[in-house]
Amino acid sequence: GEDVEQSLFLSVREGDSSVINCTYTDSSSTYLYWYKQEPGAGLQLLTYIFSNMDMKQDQRLTVLLNKKDKHLSLRIADTQTGDSAIYFCAERGQAGTALIFGKGTTLSVSS
Amino acid sequence: GAGVSQSPSNKVTEKGKDVELRCDPISGHTALYWYRQSLGQGLEFLIYFQGNSAPDKSGLPSDRFSAERTGGSVSTLTIQRTQQEDSAVYLCASSLGVAGRDTQYFGPGTRLTVL
Repeated sequence: GEDVEQSLFLSVREGDSSVINCTYTDSSSTYLYWYKQEPGAGLQLLTYIFSNMDMKQDQRLTVLLNKKDKHLSLRIADTQTGDSAIYFCAERGQAGTALIFGKGTTLSVSS
Repeated sequence: GAGVSQSPSNKVTEKGKDVELRCDPISGHTALYWYRQSLGQGLEFLIYFQGNSAPDKSGLPSDRFSAERTGGSVSTLTIQRTQQEDSAVYLCASSLGVAGRDTQYFGPGTRLTVL
């Protein structure tokens, strides 16, 4: 069945770049998403990429998609303590289908 | 504009009681989703509503779970005879439901604790 895998933890120092990786199995995925969840809060959409794109940049965020290897990454440049949160990778197929989430990567940023 | 809202934010109940969780989607969003986030299970899809179509209930874990969406807007998720394993954060999301513009936006969730 469909599956999305992420590493569970990442620890970086303030000012460094963070790279969070994700792999998925559904080759029919059309959109891939990154959501951020801060403690006690809901999911905040960070960015998404359409499956026919290789890269998307949005301010400090860079998303890379390797469709052949079904690998997605999120790079956060100049990581700040406010970036500490859980980051979820999610994929879906056609419109109107549910998101399939990874278990989330907890990013810890130390000053 | 206003985002997705959910109520209550926290609910503590006793095992065996029924609970109702409410979701107000973003105005104009025709698609509405319920997910459950529990420790060790991550985020699981529960049910999906799109316009006037029959809902996709394929993610509901048991027949104790049901959901309604009245007037194509507000949705209520009902859990009957709650069990301790129902303790989780229940998240609602809505989207435009249009191909190419179907990004899901989430509410803050309802934290359910079953004692």
